[in-house]
Amino acid sequence: GAVVSQHPSRVICKSGTSVKIECRSLDFQATTMFWYRQFPKQSLMLMATSNEGSKATYEQGVEKDKFLINHASLTLSTLTVTSAHPEDSSFYICSAPGTKKPITDTQYFGPGTRLTVL
Amino acid sequence: AQKITQTQPGMFVQEKEAVTLDCTYDTSDQSYGLFWYKQPSSGEMIFLIYQGSYDEQNATEGRYSLNFQKARKSANLVISASQLGDSAMYFCAMRVGTGRRALTFGSGTRLQVQP
Repeated sequence: GAVVSQHPSRVICKSGTSVKIECRSLDFQATTMFWYRQFPKQSLMLMATSNEGSKATYEQGVEKDKFLINHASLTLSTLTVTSAHPEDSSFYICSAPGTKKPITDTQYFGPGTRLTVL
Repeated sequence: AQKITQTQPGMFVQEKEAVTLDCTYDTSDQSYGLFWYKQPSSGEMIFLIYQGSYDEQNATEGRYSLNFQKARKSANLVISASQLGDSAMYFCAMRVGTGRRALTFGSGTRLQVQP
């Protein structure tokens, strides 16, 4: 089946530094990818929609200058957390919609990236 | 706007018994899809089952079945013959409309299977 990978799986950084998270679709093309954030013991909240070759669409309350998204190819989207602060510590998960029938509306999730900002 | 509600923060079930996890949704769209995901402590989202709004029969996938009651806007997950490995967080989610849309998630239910 379709697979989405994320790298790194875990990252610890100092406050004020930037962190890049990669999301790759391994055996299918993804013109659209989604980035979610999950705080401890909470649900997944959509942060932004990443579109190949165009600007990302951010959800209300998500700072686009802080969470930079680049979707440079049909298999790669990156999320860069700029000037990270402890409140940015969270679990970041990407997903990509699939196109394979019979379930035409599948969503393939990456394994997630746990970010800890000290 | 769409909304998913899971009213059970935590559930306990004895091994080998069946359990129902509740999910209600709210949307004015006629076309939508409902998903259930399992999230173990590792954090990965494991797809369990999908129900389309136009599907007339309830979806089933092995030990998982989805009790879809469209008029009541509910999409409960039924797990039969629970196993210890079923202990995890379970999320109900909805995609509204067609095309490549993101999912809206409920707050989740933590299921604990007891031996």
